[in-house]
Amino acid sequence: EAGVAQSPRYKIIEKRQSVAFWCNPISGHATLYWYQQILGQGPKLLIQFQNNGVVDDSQLPKDRFSAERLKGVDSTLKIQPAKLEDSAVYLCASSLAGTREGTQYFGPGTRLLVL
Amino acid sequence: SQQGEEDPQALSIQEGENATMNCSYKTSINNLQWYRQNSGRGLVHLILIRSNEREKHSGRLRVTLDTSKKSSSLLITASRAADTASYFCATYNAGNNRKLIWGLGTSLAVNP
Repeated sequence: EAGVAQSPRYKIIEKRQSVAFWCNPISGHATLYWYQQILGQGPKLLIQFQNNGVVDDSQLPKDRFSAERLKGVDSTLKIQPAKLEDSAVYLCASSLAGTREGTQYFGPGTRLLVL
Repeated sequence: SQQGEEDPQALSIQEGENATMNCSYKTSINNLQWYRQNSGRGLVHLILIRSNEREKHSGRLRVTLDTSKKSSSLLITASRAADTASYFCATYNAGNNRKLIWGLGTSLAVNP
């Protein structure tokens, strides 16, 4: 079974530029999550999708971050314009819907450096 | 928001020794999960313990859960250099939009 795919793996941009990350979850996983992980900290949930609907985006900085999952499968996360403090690893995860377990499966992440 | 708090924040041991890390949380849960993160394999699910379970084993891993104290511990026996990683606990409450609440992690270094 293929895991969660993410691209790119690394990205270096200058502040005020825009950047986009892509995620393809495990086949059949209806729930998709985007996390931001700053060095030395735990993952911080940015947005959670159930199919193509947003379940939770309470911690997404909506003035600069946006995400979509138009067909309920793959997803993109965009930052525009980027700030220095956005330097982090962006993790995508997926899980089965309808389960009471909540186990999440993570992609390798995209490491973003904003200069 | 972060709920789990792991301690210690960092742990350094010799190969072959046991490593114990703890996690405390604040609200009611359906289960508690431990994940490992290293540079090679990213963030990986290790073990899940349900709220009605007190202890669970998986290979060299032993997890305990005390819901009265809202705490859990992860024991890694006979540690290996490959166990060097950060370990995170995450709590799951199905009523909370089915999302995991993450701790800040324990950084484990196993020295050969």
